[in-house]
Amino acid sequence: EVQLVETGGGLVQPGRSLKLSCVASGFTFSSYWMYWIRQAPGKGLEWVSSINTDGGSTYYPDSVKGRFTISRDNAENTVYLQMNSLRSEDTATYYCAKDPIPTGIPLYVMDAWGQGASVTVSS
Amino acid sequence: DIQMTQSPSSLSVSLGDNVTFTCEASENIYGFLAWYQQKLGKAPKLLIYGATNLEDGVPTRFSGSGSWTNYSLTISSLEPEDIATYYCQNNHVYPLTFGSGTKLEIK
Repeated sequence: EVQLVETGGGLVQPGRSLKLSCVASGFTFSSYWMYWIRQAPGKGLEWVSSINTDGGSTYYPDSVKGRFTISRDNAENTVYLQMNSLRSEDTATYYCAKDPIPTGIPLYVMDAWGQGASVTVSS
Repeated sequence: DIQMTQSPSSLSVSLGDNVTFTCEASENIYGFLAWYQQKLGKAPKLLIYGATNLEDGVPTRFSGSGSWTNYSLTISSLEPEDIATYYCQNNHVYPLTFGSGTKLEIK
């Protein structure tokens, strides 16, 4: 059974940093692209970042580019999201998710999701 | 960026109804359209990808259609467990973008 478990959320002051982790199990982690998606309270979904299978290619929307960094450790079956210079508008539940396609060209959709990690940015 | 516009934002329905909601992309996304279901307090669940392909395990009462910029999701004979918010997603180009969602409510 595919499982994704996010940790590292919490309350952080504006301008500070936080690092989320997502441990994967139940599939060959190193073969899949991984994603972070967030959802502000009462709002819709926003894609935050993507990473390819070996970690050599990463992608971000303008809203987090230069502040957030996605990375992965295939030996530890873990994907990370380093969030720096946090703003109040980064307050959200952060989900990690996987692509359905092993190796090759990803589909850029998310077929399995974690339960989410809550991040609150407030003084 | 490709904008995804979903309508309506909410829909009041009765169990057993056939329900259709729409998603319009601001430019052609060539069928690279996914639908997700999100129940209250839960993570989203992939229902459909490639505009029409049903994800494994998703009931066949769900179906997707559309092309170019206009897409729709239909639920035939609504069941109680279908009450949720539904999101579409552009998976054609970065940035990956989601619609704002359609929330189903029981009449």
